[in-house]
Amino acid sequence: EAGVAQSPRYKIIEKRQSVAFWCNPISGHATLYWYQQILGQGPKLLIQFQNNGVVDDSQLPKDRFSAERLKGVDSTLKIQPAKLEDSAVYLCASSFAMTDGDETQYFGPGTRLLVL
Amino acid sequence: GENVEQHPSTLSVQEGDSAVIKCTYSDSASNYFPWYKQELGKGPQLIIDIRSNVGEKKDQRIAVTLNKTAKHFSLHITETQPEDSAVYFCAASMSLPGLDDYKLSFGAGTTVTVRA
Repeated sequence: EAGVAQSPRYKIIEKRQSVAFWCNPISGHATLYWYQQILGQGPKLLIQFQNNGVVDDSQLPKDRFSAERLKGVDSTLKIQPAKLEDSAVYLCASSFAMTDGDETQYFGPGTRLLVL
Repeated sequence: GENVEQHPSTLSVQEGDSAVIKCTYSDSASNYFPWYKQELGKGPQLIIDIRSNVGEKKDQRIAVTLNKTAKHFSLHITETQPEDSAVYFCAASMSLPGLDDYKLSFGAGTTVTVRA
């Protein structure tokens, strides 16, 4: 089966500009996650969706970050305006709904963001 | 929230030797412990996981052990090969039937280098 798709793979912007990332999860996966991975660290959860509803966005810097999953499939993550400290890899992951008892998260290749 | 600590941060082993990575977690309610392997430029890939009702799990050259009392778990790789060189992350979460929350807390990662 096809894996989690993300685009773009790389993005370079200047601080105070805006940027958007796109994620297409594995077909049939109801749960979608966005993680931020700063160089040399483990991924940190930003937001979790169950279908098109937000389950957890407690770690999302809402003054500048926003995310949506309007039709319960694809998702976009936006940063506006970007700061230097937003330079990181943004990972999207998906998993089956918890009612299937499979919480395994499958990750996409990530989008590498550099803010200058 | 859950806090996961991982040691060592770097590990160099001779091909054919064993590698051991250790993690501790803080939340005694955590019951799901996956291990991910991340190669350069790629997203994390699940290699093995263990649930709290099991003390040990093995899959070919990879094994994971869990000590719930001490709140630590370890990854063991035997007969290491050059292709085992990567960054390995441990993670912990609390999964409950009916709870829409499987967010993973990751360790900081271990860079494993297998010397030929």
